[in-house]
Amino acid sequence: DAKTTQPPSMDCAEGRAANLPCNHSTISGNEYVYWYRQIHSQGPQYIIHGLKNNETNEMASLIITEDRKSSTLILPHATLRDTAVYYCIVRPLYGGATNKLIFGTGTLLAVQP
Amino acid sequence: EPEVTQTPSHQVTQMGQEVILRCVPISNHLYFYWYRQILGQKVEFLVSFYNNEISEKSEIFDDQFSVERPDGSNFTLKIRSTKLEDSAMYFCASITTGGHEQFFGPGTRLTVL
Repeated sequence: DAKTTQPPSMDCAEGRAANLPCNHSTISGNEYVYWYRQIHSQGPQYIIHGLKNNETNEMASLIITEDRKSSTLILPHATLRDTAVYYCIVRPLYGGATNKLIFGTGTLLAVQP
Repeated sequence: EPEVTQTPSHQVTQMGQEVILRCVPISNHLYFYWYRQILGQKVEFLVSFYNNEISEKSEIFDDQFSVERPDGSNFTLKIRSTKLEDSAMYFCASITTGGHEQFFGPGTRLTVL
Protein backbone atom coordinates (compact mmCIF):
# COMPACT_ATOMS: atom_id res chain seq x y z
CA ASP A 1 0.00 0.00 0.00
CA ALA A 2 1.04 3.59 -0.61
CA LYS A 3 2.59 5.22 2.45
CA THR A 4 1.27 8.68 1.65
CA THR A 5 -2.00 10.54 2.14
CA GLN A 6 -3.20 13.15 -0.35
CA PRO A 7 -6.49 15.00 -0.78
CA PRO A 8 -8.50 13.42 -3.59
CA SER A 9 -9.03 16.66 -5.47
CA MET A 10 -8.15 20.34 -5.57
CA ASP A 11 -9.02 23.31 -7.72
CA CYS A 12 -6.72 26.14 -8.73
CA ALA A 13 -7.25 29.25 -10.81
CA GLU A 14 -5.14 29.58 -13.92
CA GLY A 15 -2.07 31.70 -13.28
CA ARG A 16 -2.17 31.16 -9.54
CA ALA A 17 0.11 28.94 -7.51
CA ALA A 18 -1.11 25.40 -6.90
CA ASN A 19 -0.05 23.95 -3.55
CA LEU A 20 -0.52 20.19 -3.30
CA PRO A 21 -0.03 18.67 0.15
CA CYS A 22 1.13 15.19 1.03
CA ASN A 23 1.41 13.45 4.38
CA HIS A 24 4.05 10.76 4.83
CA SER A 25 4.26 10.44 8.60
CA THR A 26 5.95 7.01 8.53
CA ILE A 27 8.76 8.01 6.18
CA SER A 28 12.11 6.43 6.94
CA GLY A 29 15.43 8.22 7.03
CA ASN A 30 16.59 6.77 3.73
CA GLU A 31 13.37 7.40 1.83
CA TYR A 32 12.99 10.12 -0.74
CA VAL A 33 9.80 11.99 -1.58
CA TYR A 34 8.92 11.81 -5.28
CA TRP A 35 6.21 13.58 -7.19
CA TYR A 36 4.80 12.34 -10.47
CA ARG A 37 1.77 13.43 -12.41
CA GLN A 38 -0.49 11.74 -14.92
CA ILE A 39 -2.31 13.77 -17.50
CA HIS A 40 -5.44 11.97 -18.58
CA SER A 41 -4.50 8.36 -19.50
CA GLN A 42 -0.95 9.30 -20.45
CA GLY A 43 2.08 7.71 -18.84
CA PRO A 44 3.08 9.14 -15.46
CA GLN A 45 5.61 11.95 -15.66
CA TYR A 46 8.32 12.66 -13.11
CA ILE A 47 8.18 16.13 -11.59
CA ILE A 48 10.64 16.43 -8.73
CA HIS A 49 12.11 14.63 -5.76
CA GLY A 50 13.74 15.49 -2.44
CA LEU A 51 15.21 13.96 0.67
CA LYS A 52 15.11 16.67 3.31
CA ASN A 53 15.99 19.96 1.65
CA ASN A 54 13.60 22.04 -0.38
CA GLU A 55 14.05 21.57 -4.10
CA THR A 56 13.18 23.56 -7.19
CA ASN A 57 13.35 22.77 -10.87
CA GLU A 58 11.81 24.17 -14.03
CA MET A 59 8.49 22.49 -13.31
CA ALA A 60 7.88 22.92 -9.61
CA SER A 61 9.15 23.42 -6.08
CA LEU A 62 9.08 20.86 -3.32
CA ILE A 63 8.86 21.95 0.30
CA ILE A 64 9.57 19.24 2.89
CA THR A 65 8.88 19.92 6.56
CA GLU A 66 11.75 19.71 8.97
CA ASP A 67 10.43 16.48 10.52
CA ARG A 68 9.92 15.12 6.97
CA LYS A 69 6.43 13.93 7.80
CA SER A 70 4.79 16.03 5.13
CA SER A 71 5.59 17.92 1.97
CA THR A 72 4.02 20.36 -0.47
CA LEU A 73 4.42 20.44 -4.22
CA ILE A 74 4.12 23.97 -5.59
CA LEU A 75 3.32 24.77 -9.21
CA PRO A 76 4.07 28.49 -9.22
CA HIS A 77 1.85 29.57 -12.10
CA ALA A 78 -0.65 26.85 -12.93
CA THR A 79 -1.89 26.54 -16.49
CA LEU A 80 -4.75 24.52 -17.94
CA ARG A 81 -2.17 21.97 -19.11
CA ASP A 82 -1.30 21.28 -15.47
CA THR A 83 -4.68 19.65 -14.94
CA ALA A 84 -3.69 16.11 -13.96
CA VAL A 85 -3.53 13.59 -11.14
CA TYR A 86 -0.51 14.29 -8.94
CA TYR A 87 1.09 11.44 -7.04
CA CYS A 88 3.30 11.75 -3.98
CA ILE A 89 5.44 8.63 -3.51
CA VAL A 90 8.03 7.79 -0.89
CA ARG A 91 10.68 5.14 -1.37
CA PRO A 92 14.38 4.60 -0.90
CA LEU A 93 16.57 5.32 -3.91
CA TYR A 94 17.58 1.69 -4.04
CA GLY A 95 14.66 -0.52 -3.10
CA GLY A 96 16.72 -3.65 -3.21
CA ALA A 97 17.19 -4.68 -6.82
CA THR A 98 14.23 -2.64 -7.90
CA ASN A 99 13.16 0.97 -7.90
CA LYS A 100 9.49 0.21 -8.37
CA LEU A 101 6.98 2.94 -7.75
CA ILE A 102 3.90 2.31 -5.62
CA PHE A 103 1.17 4.69 -6.70
CA GLY A 104 -1.69 5.77 -4.50
CA THR A 105 -4.82 7.48 -5.72
CA GLY A 106 -3.17 10.90 -5.88
CA THR A 107 -4.73 14.36 -6.06
CA LEU A 108 -6.73 15.39 -9.10
CA LEU A 109 -5.76 19.01 -9.69
CA ALA A 110 -8.26 20.89 -11.83
CA VAL A 111 -6.95 24.21 -13.09
CA GLN A 112 -9.86 26.52 -13.82
CA PRO A 113 -9.75 29.26 -16.49
CA GLU B 1 14.89 14.48 -25.49
CA PRO B 2 15.07 10.68 -25.08
CA GLU B 3 11.77 8.90 -24.58
CA VAL B 4 10.30 5.48 -23.99
CA THR B 5 8.17 4.26 -26.87
CA GLN B 6 5.47 1.60 -26.85
CA THR B 7 3.66 -0.27 -29.58
CA PRO B 8 0.90 -0.72 -30.40
CA SER B 9 -0.98 2.20 -28.89
CA HIS B 10 -4.17 0.12 -28.84
CA GLN B 11 -4.55 -3.63 -29.03
CA VAL B 12 -7.88 -5.42 -29.26
CA THR B 13 -7.90 -9.16 -28.75
CA GLN B 14 -10.24 -12.01 -28.06
CA MET B 15 -10.29 -13.69 -24.67
CA GLY B 16 -7.84 -16.60 -24.58
CA GLN B 17 -5.53 -15.15 -27.22
CA GLU B 18 -1.89 -14.32 -26.65
CA VAL B 19 -0.71 -10.73 -26.88
CA ILE B 20 2.73 -9.19 -26.91
CA LEU B 21 3.16 -5.59 -25.89
CA ARG B 22 6.36 -3.94 -27.00
CA CYS B 23 8.49 -1.23 -25.48
CA VAL B 24 11.73 0.46 -26.43
CA PRO B 25 13.30 1.86 -23.26
CA ILE B 26 15.79 4.72 -23.26
CA SER B 27 19.05 3.39 -24.64
CA ASN B 28 21.40 3.77 -21.67
CA HIS B 29 18.86 2.64 -19.07
CA LEU B 30 19.36 -0.64 -17.29
CA TYR B 31 16.20 -1.12 -15.21
CA PHE B 32 12.89 -1.78 -16.93
CA TYR B 33 9.36 -2.01 -15.63
CA TRP B 34 5.82 -2.81 -16.61
CA TYR B 35 2.87 -1.23 -14.85
CA ARG B 36 -0.80 -1.45 -15.61
CA GLN B 37 -3.79 0.77 -14.94
CA ILE B 38 -7.28 -0.57 -15.13
CA LEU B 39 -9.71 2.16 -16.16
CA GLY B 40 -10.45 4.44 -13.23
CA GLN B 41 -8.02 2.68 -10.90
CA LYS B 42 -4.48 3.15 -9.62
CA VAL B 43 -1.31 2.55 -11.55
CA GLU B 44 -0.08 -0.88 -10.39
CA PHE B 45 3.43 -2.29 -10.53
CA LEU B 46 3.70 -5.58 -12.43
CA VAL B 47 7.35 -6.46 -12.83
CA SER B 48 10.86 -5.08 -12.86
CA PHE B 49 13.71 -6.40 -14.99
CA TYR B 50 17.45 -5.96 -14.67
CA ASN B 51 20.44 -7.73 -16.14
CA ASN B 52 18.22 -9.96 -18.26
CA GLU B 53 16.18 -11.31 -15.41
CA ILE B 54 13.16 -10.42 -13.34
CA SER B 55 14.13 -8.45 -10.22
CA GLU B 56 10.73 -8.35 -8.64
CA LYS B 57 7.16 -9.14 -9.59
CA SER B 58 3.82 -8.37 -8.04
CA GLU B 59 1.01 -10.79 -7.23
CA ILE B 60 -0.68 -9.70 -10.45
CA PHE B 61 2.24 -11.05 -12.50
CA ASP B 62 1.24 -14.71 -12.53
CA ASP B 63 2.21 -17.54 -14.88
CA GLN B 64 0.19 -16.00 -17.69
CA PHE B 65 2.65 -13.10 -17.88
CA SER B 66 6.22 -13.12 -19.08
CA VAL B 67 8.79 -10.50 -19.99
CA GLU B 68 11.71 -10.62 -22.33
CA ARG B 69 14.44 -8.45 -23.70
CA PRO B 70 14.94 -10.23 -27.02
CA ASP B 71 17.60 -7.84 -28.29
CA GLY B 72 19.46 -4.78 -27.12
CA SER B 73 16.56 -2.42 -27.52
CA ASN B 74 13.15 -4.05 -27.11
CA PHE B 75 11.45 -5.04 -23.87
CA THR B 76 8.27 -7.07 -24.21
CA LEU B 77 5.38 -8.14 -22.04
CA LYS B 78 3.55 -11.28 -23.11
CA ILE B 79 0.18 -12.35 -21.82
CA ARG B 80 -0.31 -15.98 -22.78
CA SER B 81 -4.05 -16.37 -22.54
CA THR B 82 -5.82 -13.08 -22.06
CA LYS B 83 -8.78 -12.67 -19.74
CA LEU B 84 -11.41 -9.95 -19.71
CA GLU B 85 -9.83 -8.52 -16.55
CA ASP B 86 -6.54 -7.97 -18.37
CA SER B 87 -8.14 -5.04 -20.15
CA ALA B 88 -6.11 -2.03 -19.03
CA MET B 89 -3.48 0.50 -20.00
CA TYR B 90 -0.03 -1.03 -19.82
CA PHE B 91 2.89 1.29 -19.24
CA CYS B 92 6.53 0.53 -19.75
CA ALA B 93 9.15 2.49 -17.83
CA SER B 94 12.90 2.62 -17.56
CA ILE B 95 15.53 4.21 -15.34
CA THR B 96 19.26 4.44 -15.34
CA THR B 97 21.42 3.14 -12.50
CA GLY B 98 21.38 5.67 -9.68
CA GLY B 99 18.78 7.77 -11.42
CA HIS B 100 15.78 9.25 -9.68
CA GLU B 101 13.54 9.82 -12.67
CA GLN B 102 11.63 6.86 -13.99
CA PHE B 103 10.65 7.52 -17.60
CA PHE B 104 7.29 6.17 -18.69
CA GLY B 105 6.06 5.37 -22.16
CA PRO B 106 2.70 6.55 -23.51
CA GLY B 107 1.08 3.19 -22.82
CA THR B 108 -0.71 0.48 -24.73
CA ARG B 109 -4.43 0.21 -24.25
CA LEU B 110 -5.33 -3.48 -24.21
CA THR B 111 -8.96 -4.38 -24.76
CA VAL B 112 -9.94 -8.02 -24.27
CA LEU B 113 -13.32 -8.98 -25.74
